[in-house]
Amino acid sequence: DAGVTQSPTHLIKTRGQQVTLRCSPKSGHDTVSWYQQALGQGPQFIFQYYEEEERQRGNFPDRFSGHQFPNYSSELNVNALLLGDSALYLCAAGGSGNTIYFGEGSWLTVV
Amino acid sequence: AQRVTQPEKLLSVFKGAPVELKCNYSYSGSPELFWYVQYSRQRLQLLLRHISRESIKGFTADLNKGETSFHLKKPFAQEEDSAMYYCALRAEGYSTLTFGKGTMLLVSP
Repeated sequence: DAGVTQSPTHLIKTRGQQVTLRCSPKSGHDTVSWYQQALGQGPQFIFQYYEEEERQRGNFPDRFSGHQFPNYSSELNVNALLLGDSALYLCAAGGSGNTIYFGEGSWLTVV
Repeated sequence: AQRVTQPEKLLSVFKGAPVELKCNYSYSGSPELFWYVQYSRQRLQLLLRHISRESIKGFTADLNKGETSFHLKKPFAQEEDSAMYYCALRAEGYSTLTFGKGTMLLVSP
């Protein structure tokens, strides 16, 4: 059991809406990263949080934002949803030098 | 910027046949390479990492810095090996991963 829990598992949103996805890492894992996995593609890095701050960011627009809480859990927010945002969103927990563990992901469908 | 290339989208073999899933990377520094596997309806999970030089489920992978490759090999494929395999790279000093597009391995009886 990797211990990374994500919610919700599936959701459907309409274009223009906003979505919030949640991640709870395994105890002791203080670094949380988010990845987007579009159909037929490998996961792509969105951003990483450590000590409640965004530390690194991939090539994603500002519509994608996040937050990390004192208990290390994290949220991914996407505003003004586009059809192309439909994907599996993965949360990963770990840190430099540590194994990175993935959650089962949240399937987002934008219609 | 780093890049990971997995040239095959699909690799189909018969049970008992040898398997080699290719992975090439481009990175100017000293990378850490991983193979992740995703079985049907399951989460992405670490299969092996080059620094541990271990064999997991009969799979091995050797980092070849000269050819910038990290191919995954298994001498005798099993049906339960059917899954999606992703090669990933971690750059020095970072904890994030750059993934390839993945290779679907299909092992037929």
